[in-house]
Amino acid sequence: DAGVIQSPRHEVTEMGQEVTLRCKPISGHDYLFWYRQTMMRGLELLIYFNNNVPIDDSGMPEDRFSAKMPNASFSTLKIQPSEPRDSAVYFCASSFFGVSTDTQYFGPGTRLTVL
Amino acid sequence: AQKVTQAQTEISVVEKEDVTLDCVYETRDTTYYLFWYKQPPSGELVFLIRRNSFDEQNEISGRYSWNFQKSTSSFNFTITASQVVDSAVYFCALSTPNQGGKLIFGQGTELSVKP
Repeated sequence: DAGVIQSPRHEVTEMGQEVTLRCKPISGHDYLFWYRQTMMRGLELLIYFNNNVPIDDSGMPEDRFSAKMPNASFSTLKIQPSEPRDSAVYFCASSFFGVSTDTQYFGPGTRLTVL
Repeated sequence: AQKVTQAQTEISVVEKEDVTLDCVYETRDTTYYLFWYKQPPSGELVFLIRRNSFDEQNEISGRYSWNFQKSTSSFNFTITASQVVDSAVYFCALSTPNQGGKLIFGQGTELSVKP
């Protein structure tokens, strides 16, 4: 069975541009999480969804960040406009099921560089 | 507040040595879950183990073993007879139902196994 799929794997963009990161969770998983990894802050949760509904977005750094989950097999994280301090690795993770603390399986990550 | 501390930033060992990675956690919840993830140089996050707060049995999986002690709020990870392929950053993480399953990560321990 395929794991969590993220695209693109690498993204280089210029400040001010819009960036869209994509995630396909493991089939059947009902929780989806977006994390960001930086040297300064480590791994931190940005937002998570349950059954396609955003549950907690308190980790989203500011209004420039938005996330959607239009269906059970697809989610996006958008940054508009992007800034150099957004450079990081962004991970998507999914888990199953009603007990929200079940194991989260991570995608390979998207390395974002904003020049 | 929930917190995970991995006091060892970097560890370097020679192949075949045993090595223990420390993890100390803080939570006021009586139900919680502890995890270890491995991040090899390729960058993905690989799930290793999940423990719940009601199960203090130690676990062994091949060369890996985990020691969970509620009395000291620790969940340490030992690699026996380390190998070069064990070189990676290892993260300890905590989640609780009250936090909606959000993973709180430690800062990670970078393990380098030299031949």
